[in-house]
Amino acid sequence: QLQVQESGPGLVRPSETLSLTCAVSGVAIRGETNFWGWIRQSPAKGMEFIGTIGYSGETYYKPSLRSRVTMSINTSSNHFSLTLSSVTAADTAMYYCATTDTDLTGDSAFCIWGQGTMVTVSS
Amino acid sequence: QSVLTQPPSASGTPGQRVTISCSGATSDMEIYTVDWYQLLPGTAPKLLIFYNNQRPSGVPDRFSGSKSGTSASLVISGLRSEDEAEYYCALWDDNPYNYVFGTGTRVTVL
Repeated sequence: QLQVQESGPGLVRPSETLSLTCAVSGVAIRGETNFWGWIRQSPAKGMEFIGTIGYSGETYYKPSLRSRVTMSINTSSNHFSLTLSSVTAADTAMYYCATTDTDLTGDSAFCIWGQGTMVTVSS
Repeated sequence: QSVLTQPPSASGTPGQRVTISCSGATSDMEIYTVDWYQLLPGTAPKLLIFYNNQRPSGVPDRFSGSKSGTSASLVISGLRSEDEAEYYCALWDDNPYNYVFGTGTRVTVL
């Protein structure tokens, strides 16, 4: 059964870089039926798409975050990662990793989600 | 870029029918399909509806979705206490390419 789980530091200092990892189990991350994504949620902004990465490494980032976001896939350890540079208090949020699955719900909706990891930006 | 507007709140008593709207400011919603998600505190977000009206396996049939023109709706029939949560619509916008979430609706079971 496909599962994803986020990990990363709970606290990041302003102007530094946030790095999160999403461990994938139950399927090879290089499979062609999945796109892997990061979404965050905060009281101020609600749900916000950050970006998605495909099995061949193609990425799509939210335009307003594109200059600060990098996503990557690690096939040997079956995980994918997010880095967000120059963070501010506005980046404080619950961060979720998620995946689409063509076999389950087509290629657009995120059908499998992690529990989320809370990230606070503060000095 | 698409903007998806939802009412901030909705409520009903157990057994009632609750409808949540999702209105698009542009014609993107006429072109692209809408997804709906449920957020319960402390749990992973859950996909309720994809492709406007399709339910993933395991989602009760009292959740239904529809779309007409620039507006989509999520209907919860036979409201239950465990439906008290936040609900978000979402769609893929291609100009620029981006997955846009609605503003969110908090449902309260009275």
